[in-house]
Amino acid sequence: ETGVTQTPRHLVMGMTNKKSLKCEQHLGHNAMYWYKQSAKKPLELMFVYSLEERVENNSVPSRFSPECPNSSHLFLHLHTLQPEDSALYLCASSRGGRGGSDEQFFGPGTRLTVL
Amino acid sequence: DQQVKQNSPSLSVQEGRISILNCDYTNSMFDYFLWYKKYPAEGPTFLISISSIKDKNEDGRFTVFLNKSAKHLSLHIVPSQPGDSAVYFCAASPNAGGTSYGKLTFGQGTILTVHP
Repeated sequence: ETGVTQTPRHLVMGMTNKKSLKCEQHLGHNAMYWYKQSAKKPLELMFVYSLEERVENNSVPSRFSPECPNSSHLFLHLHTLQPEDSALYLCASSRGGRGGSDEQFFGPGTRLTVL
Repeated sequence: DQQVKQNSPSLSVQEGRISILNCDYTNSMFDYFLWYKKYPAEGPTFLISISSIKDKNEDGRFTVFLNKSAKHLSLHIVPSQPGDSAVYFCAASPNAGGTSYGKLTFGQGTILTVHP
């Protein structure tokens, strides 16, 4: 595997379910990101982890819970979601250390549908 | 309030001609700008970037122009090819001031279709 991978690619869940999205990067990067892309909206940054420490949390509801056990893996734990949470969830990674000019590499995304 | 705007939802161009994609921003703290391309069922892929100390950056068929006074950037693709058909996102980042990560704000995207 190369680049950034995400599993599952598609997920359908009920509002009472608990599920997790997984992201893995094979690039040796130090920063990892979760983005949400809703229909006809820009990508919205949700969380940033730098060197396994959460450094950004953009007012995301607590029903989304990120976890970064090491620099290669990032999870997004989901519980009691709402139908409006249905979206494409994208993971990205970057080398880190170059601040704003750090190019981010994206995974293919997980298409989430909440019933 | 959207800080990065791509006002054209779609653009259709003939193969071989120039494609010009536009992007406007409002936050004067942004000083690094990127363009990403996205195919269906794939994540965005980095295309080209420009720092605010420059007004032009070129990479093969792709050129990005930055007009800081107008808070406007554009991506020129010449000549356009059918394989360039995708959604193009512009993104902007503030001077991170020593942080070790980026904080990108994206536009809504423009769907480019290049006809053979």
